[in-house]
Amino acid sequence: AQSVTQLGSHVSVSEGALVLLRCNYSSSVPPYLFWYVQYPNQGLQLLLKYTSAATLVKGINGFEAEFKKSETSFHLTKPSAHMSDAAEYFCAVSESGYNKLIFGAGTRLAVHP
Amino acid sequence: DTEVTQTPKHLVMGMTNKKSLKCEQHMGHRAMYWYKQKAKKPPELMFVYSYEKLSINESVPSRFSPECPNSSLLNLHLHALQPEDSALYLCASSQEGRGKPIGAFFGQGTRLTVV
Repeated sequence: AQSVTQLGSHVSVSEGALVLLRCNYSSSVPPYLFWYVQYPNQGLQLLLKYTSAATLVKGINGFEAEFKKSETSFHLTKPSAHMSDAAEYFCAVSESGYNKLIFGAGTRLAVHP
Repeated sequence: DTEVTQTPKHLVMGMTNKKSLKCEQHMGHRAMYWYKQKAKKPPELMFVYSYEKLSINESVPSRFSPECPNSSLLNLHLHALQPEDSALYLCASSQEGRGKPIGAFFGQGTRLTVV
């Protein structure tokens, strides 16, 4: 079965600093990987997705992620954090053949002045 | 229109009540999903409808009954719930249930409290 592991349940950065949220996947087949963001009391918003095209994927709000097969990773980065980036971030993998998403445990990003 | 609309936003119900959650999308998506999210946890899949037919039921108790009246609507009928069923219920849609995954669009959720 496919799964994702997010390293670090809480990450805290200063405004303007680099954001790095870690995600490792486990899959016996080429995976489809996603990053979602959830603001308090909101639904989930798709940030970006990897679907076996370019390994460097650019998303919304200045986020990007790089698929590294050798490291089984799909880490999310943003060069400069904004206060508005504070939220819960979920990495997810899609089971082959379906848009059935399996989510990681989530990482709460805090941004302080 | 790239929205998935869920109603109501909040619902409080007793353990003997019957209620329904509603979800609507007008993106032409043919797959729709119900997820359950407990506090400080990731969403967990409950049901998948593909072309208006139930294709996945993740061993959800029968007190939750999904319904897909047409390609734009998805309901979740609730009956005899327990307090531990209190959670955020999220609806999502995507272009297809099978094929190359492109990700799903989520609604804002219904915050359900069972008393």
